[in-house]
Amino acid sequence: GENVEQHPSTLSVQEGDSAVIKCTYSDSASNYFPWYKQELGKRPQLIIDIRSNVGEKKDQRIAVTLNKTAKHFSLHITETQPEDSAVYFCAASIFDDMRFGAGTRLTVKP
Amino acid sequence: KAGVTQTPRYLIKTRGQQVTLSCSPISGHRSVSWYQQTPGQGLQFLFEYFSETQRNKGNFPGRFSGRQFSNSRSEMNVSTLELGDSALYLCASSLEVGRGYEQYFGPGTRLTVT
Repeated sequence: GENVEQHPSTLSVQEGDSAVIKCTYSDSASNYFPWYKQELGKRPQLIIDIRSNVGEKKDQRIAVTLNKTAKHFSLHITETQPEDSAVYFCAASIFDDMRFGAGTRLTVKP
Repeated sequence: KAGVTQTPRYLIKTRGQQVTLSCSPISGHRSVSWYQQTPGQGLQFLFEYFSETQRNKGNFPGRFSGRQFSNSRSEMNVSTLELGDSALYLCASSLEVGRGYEQYFGPGTRLTVT
C-alpha cells in the first residue's frame, strides 16, 4: 500500500518568514494530494490540495508543488503569521485509499 | 450546510468493554471514512464506507468494525477494548469516493480506555 513520509516533524520560523514542508509517497498511482491543518484540540481542516495532472497550485499565502517523477510534493507558506501555528498533515490518495504523513508541528514566533 | 458531526465527543470505557461511535456526514455526502489519531501513530486509516458498503479497510484488527446506513450516517464499533485503543477517532465525509474528492473531518470522539 501507499506509504507517505513527511519532513520535518517540527519547524519553527519567525513571523514573516516562509515555511516549507515536504512529503514523499511510494505509489506512483497516487493521484490526489491534500494538505490539512490541525490546530490544537480541533479537527483537521483541508487547506489546499493538488491533483496529479497539475504541477503547482496557489491560494493566497499557501502553495503546493508536485513532482510526480520524484514522487514528492511540498507545502509552501509565505509571510507566516502566528495563527499559522498548527500541525500540518500531508496525504496521498489512490482511489478510495488515503494515507497521511506523520505531521509537522509548525510554530511561528512573533 | 452543517458540517460533519460525531457523537459522543468524549467517552471513557474500561478494558474489555465495547463502544459504538457515530458519525453524520455533510448532507449529500455519501462516503464516510474513519481514522484513528494518536500522538505516536498519527492519523491512521480505519475504513471507508460508500452506499452502505465497506470500500476499503486499513490495517486494524477485526475488533474494529463499522457500518453505514441508508442515510449515509455511519457507526464504528470497537469490541474488547484495550488500553492502546485510547485515541481520537475522526470521521470524514466526501461527496464521492475515488479520484480525489475532498474530505471534511468531524470534531472527533476522544476515547479513553482505563
